[in-house]
Amino acid sequence: DTGVSQDPRHKITKRGQNVTFRCDPISEHNRLYWYRQTLGQGPEFLTYFQNEAQLEKSRLLSDRFSAERPKGSFSTLEIQRTEQGDSAMYLCASSRGEGSSYNEQFFGPGTRLTVL
Amino acid sequence: GNSVTQMEGPVTLSEEAFLTINCTYTATGYPSLFWYVQYPGEGLQLLLKATKADDKGSNKGFEATYRKETTSFHLEKGSVQVSDSAVYFCALPSNTGKLIFGQGTTLQVKP
Repeated sequence: DTGVSQDPRHKITKRGQNVTFRCDPISEHNRLYWYRQTLGQGPEFLTYFQNEAQLEKSRLLSDRFSAERPKGSFSTLEIQRTEQGDSAMYLCASSRGEGSSYNEQFFGPGTRLTVL
Repeated sequence: GNSVTQMEGPVTLSEEAFLTINCTYTATGYPSLFWYVQYPGEGLQLLLKATKADDKGSNKGFEATYRKETTSFHLEKGSVQVSDSAVYFCALPSNTGKLIFGQGTTLQVKP
């Protein structure tokens, strides 16, 4: 399967713990996006990378959140000192793209985080 | 900035009924418009898209027409099946490429 993969698929943690999620994009895609989806809502943009550069971050991304894409391939999203409000589905997507061009984004299955 | 407003659900239909899910947008310029679908337990999949005004996107019996005059991109299907039960999202890209989604409409089709 050469689609976008995410790991883990499910994560249950206690409030105050740190968690890290991984996303592996489609190999030839240079753009990688993170979104968060809460129950009954559409996905909300968190951040995106073009190659290894983090080009945009949402105001939703508090200082407890950090994302990296060190070699321009896979990405990690870390949440420090988790809060119950962080419980959501975290989605990763990838696409080709240069400049302001838009290309179709392909989504992974998501990581469902539950903070107790 | 760009935004999307989508009709609230849930929508419950009998098999073979006609489906319409409304979507209106606000945008700078004329961005591409998308419908994504999320089947139970699965990730988001692109259902169809339209890249310019008056374009009609279609896939799996679903259609949506990019209407510049009414700033709409309503999703339609003439005869729904139980397997169409899912959550449907209307979306458009911002000028930086991120996708902006509507809140989603849950469709339940009963046999």
